[in-house]
Amino acid sequence: DVVLTQTPPTLSATIGQSVSISCRSSQSLLHSNGNTYLHWLLQRPGQSPQLLIYSVSRLESGVPNRFSGSGSGTDFTLKISGVEAEDLGVYYCVQGTHAPNTFGAGTKLELK
Amino acid sequence: EVQLVESGGGLVQPGRSLKLSCAASGFTFSNYYMAWVRQAPKKGLEWVATISTSGSRTYYPDSVKGRFTISRDNAKSSLYLQMNSLKSEDTATYYCASHPLFDYWGQGVMVTVSS
Repeated sequence: DVVLTQTPPTLSATIGQSVSISCRSSQSLLHSNGNTYLHWLLQRPGQSPQLLIYSVSRLESGVPNRFSGSGSGTDFTLKISGVEAEDLGVYYCVQGTHAPNTFGAGTKLELK
Repeated sequence: EVQLVESGGGLVQPGRSLKLSCAASGFTFSNYYMAWVRQAPKKGLEWVATISTSGSRTYYPDSVKGRFTISRDNAKSSLYLQMNSLKSEDTATYYCASHPLFDYWGQGVMVTVSS
């Protein structure tokens, strides 16, 4: 199975600070059809996960543009340009290129 | 508005069965692959099962293969998860979600396996 390694496991930030989360895959996530199915989710405390970024860099409808995704192959990054209080929670990367789907262990974003 | 509403959770003894349901609305359910994802208490997310749009293809991780069965009824816009031979390690909140983008999620339903 594909292993997704997220770093750091915990991230402390102040409001307005820019932060990045890394997601590294044990295999390339480039599908034979040319797409890369690496997505980013946010789970706020007590809530269900929600999609932020899909296919590496595409912003889900309604998600603020302070969120951005980048990367290719096995190395991916989620960046938040100016953290806001509503961004606190656990961020997960998930891959849909290879069966079975796998999730990263999560990165908890908390206030410093 | 898209809604996914899970039901059927609860407390069940080890070795027993439970069937979860997920009622979908606000989108064309029959056009979407669907999945079940679970989250053990204080833990991360784990994919449990996926089903194709017609229901003809299903996929499971080894941890539940042979014990869990995912199914759907497109006429009722509903997704199901039949869970047999339940173990304590199956204790989790179970979410239904659209697949493969995981863009729609339900609120989750708690399943506790304990004697």
